Amino acid sequence: AQSVTQLDSQVPVFEEAPVELRCNYSSSVSVYLFWYVQYPNQGLQLLLKYLSGSTLVKGINGFEAEFNKSQTSFHLRKPSVHISDTAEYFCAVSQAAGNKLTFGGGTRVLVKP
Amino acid sequence: DGGITQSPKYLFRKEGQNVTLSCEQNLNHDAMYWYRQDPGQGLRLIYYSQIVNDFQKGDIAEGYSVSREKKESFPLTVTSAQKNPTAFYLCASSSPGRFRGEQYFGPGTRLTVT
Repeated sequence: AQSVTQLDSQVPVFEEAPVELRCNYSSSVSVYLFWYVQYPNQGLQLLLKYLSGSTLVKGINGFEAEFNKSQTSFHLRKPSVHISDTAEYFCAVSQAAGNKLTFGGGTRVLVKP
Repeated sequence: DGGITQSPKYLFRKEGQNVTLSCEQNLNHDAMYWYRQDPGQGLRLIYYSQIVNDFQKGDIAEGYSVSREKKESFPLTVTSAQKNPTAFYLCASSSPGRFRGEQYFGPGTRLTVT
């Protein structure tokens, strides 16, 4: 069984400031890791994913994440946020040989002017 | 444009009634999924289907049923046996060859049962 913990349920941040969203996972096998974004009353959109190779992954909208196997973490970062980044962000994991996603509880980011 | 459609966007039902949520995709994806989203709980998997005429229970299948008669369609029925059906329901699909977690999501249906 696998699980995902997003350590912050809400993160307020000022416009043009950096933001980091924390994600830890547990799994007994190799995993693939993902970050999705959900704007209000919409579906989810893939931001970035880690499958293998370089542990620093770059995604859309200026986001990046770093896979740390020893700490079982996959934290998401953006150096300078915009008002339009206000959304809920979900970390997710799938077993490398599996076919289901397990999601964290989500982190709501509120960007203030 | 390819994508996933869910209808309706908002749905209201009385307690004790069954209700069916629609999900259609034109991405030619083999796998489809239904999730339930509640505030602070992330997404929880209800049912998924990897191929036509086959589906498996997810983590919270009780009170729900699905069918997969066509590749493009994966309707979800919320039955009267579901104790707390009010939630936001999301449908997703993926391509097994590229699967490795990249699921495409529809816009969701918000169901309110009173």
